[in-house]
Amino acid sequence: KQEVTQIPAALSVPEGENLVLNCSFTDSAIYNLQWFRQDPGKGLTSLLLIQSSQREQTSGRLNASLDKSSGRSTLYIAASQPGDSATYLCAVGKGGANNLFFGTGTRLTVIP
Amino acid sequence: NAGVTQTPKFRVLKTGQSMTLLCAQDMNHEYMYWYRQDPGMGLRLIHYSVGEGTTAKGEVPDGYNVSRLKKQNFLLGLESAAPSQTSVYFCASTIDRARRETQYFGPGTRLLVL
Repeated sequence: KQEVTQIPAALSVPEGENLVLNCSFTDSAIYNLQWFRQDPGKGLTSLLLIQSSQREQTSGRLNASLDKSSGRSTLYIAASQPGDSATYLCAVGKGGANNLFFGTGTRLTVIP
Repeated sequence: NAGVTQTPKFRVLKTGQSMTLLCAQDMNHEYMYWYRQDPGMGLRLIHYSVGEGTTAKGEVPDGYNVSRLKKQNFLLGLESAAPSQTSVYFCASTIDRARRETQYFGPGTRLLVL
């Protein structure tokens, strides 16, 4: 059974700081890994998707890496802003329909 | 495009009552999914569909049924609601190249079973 763990569960940083969120998974037979953002009371918004054959993906101030063999991924956020405050979810895809297995998330607060 | 929409947004049920949650997408996506989100548990897959007329069980299917009679709609049914089904339910969809594309999520349905 795929287990996905995210550390830390919560993180508070001052505006402008660079930060790293961590994700680990137990079964390396995955199709891809995704990072989502969830605002309170809202749905999920996809941030980055890394295919199993890729090592990293970048979008603006976000960079996600994947080390499939060790079962780890990181999400790097540069120059954090108060608008980045949200819960960040990591999910790995496997199975016939790329079913997603989610971690419990990291709740990020960026203090102005 | 409205994307993925869910109806209703919030519902309170008594134990033993039944209800149907509706998910609709206007992106012509083949694959659709139902997840539930509980505190401390993360999102878990209930059922999914890879096309009109097909359904399959996910990680936590017990107590739920689904139907995909039309490509754009995916219904989640609770025949006899239990307090353990109190949760936030999310629907998602993606195109048929599921392994290469992200899933698009609806805003969620909050269900409280008393």
